[in-house]
Amino acid sequence: EPEVTQTPSHQVTQMGQEVILRCVPISNHLYFYWYRQILGQKVEFLVSFYNNEISEKSEIFDDQFSVERPDGSNFTLKIRSTKLEDSAMYFCASKTSSYNEQFFGPGTRLTVL
Amino acid sequence: AQSVAQPEDQVNVAEGNPLTVKCTYSVSGNPYLFWYVQYPNRGLQFLLKYITGDNLVKGSYGFEAEFNKSQTSFHLKKPSALVSDSALYFCAVRDIISSGDKLTFGTGTRLAVRP
Repeated sequence: EPEVTQTPSHQVTQMGQEVILRCVPISNHLYFYWYRQILGQKVEFLVSFYNNEISEKSEIFDDQFSVERPDGSNFTLKIRSTKLEDSAMYFCASKTSSYNEQFFGPGTRLTVL
Repeated sequence: AQSVAQPEDQVNVAEGNPLTVKCTYSVSGNPYLFWYVQYPNRGLQFLLKYITGDNLVKGSYGFEAEFNKSQTSFHLKKPSALVSDSALYFCAVRDIISSGDKLTFGTGTRLAVRP
């Protein structure tokens, strides 16, 4: 069964450094998402991406964040200058069409020191 | 704005007994409702969804959920719990009118099934 994959599984970085989190959505999916889950808290929406552009973003997704689909398979989340409060589990998700469910990857745990 | 409430942090049940994990929602328009399960060190796995049609929705692993519009609820149920059902369960809603495409999640309910 096809799955969303994410790399790395765990990323440790110093405050102020740039990180890129990578995702490979399921191949025939058209809608892509990033969510995050701070430890012990609920899953929060960051951004949605369709037709090579951002379709919606939350207040969390400020100028320090960007997303890209550089080729036909990868979908990346970049944090330009990480802060301590960016430490969280970041989930990528994708789906085929507007009415369908989102399929989630296993997540990348980001630790900012 | 859309929101989801999962009033129980934890639900404990004995193996073989029925289980219910509660979820209520608030949306401006009509909801799409979802249940996801999260096992340790894993991502969110889709269990079932309500889009339209029958209020009783059947999903993976024997789970089902009932959409109740008057009570704005979407409780997850299973007739006979297994120890392997122990996990963290998230209810999520999408408001098809006002929220675009994003899912709003509840805080999660930890299900513990004892042998």
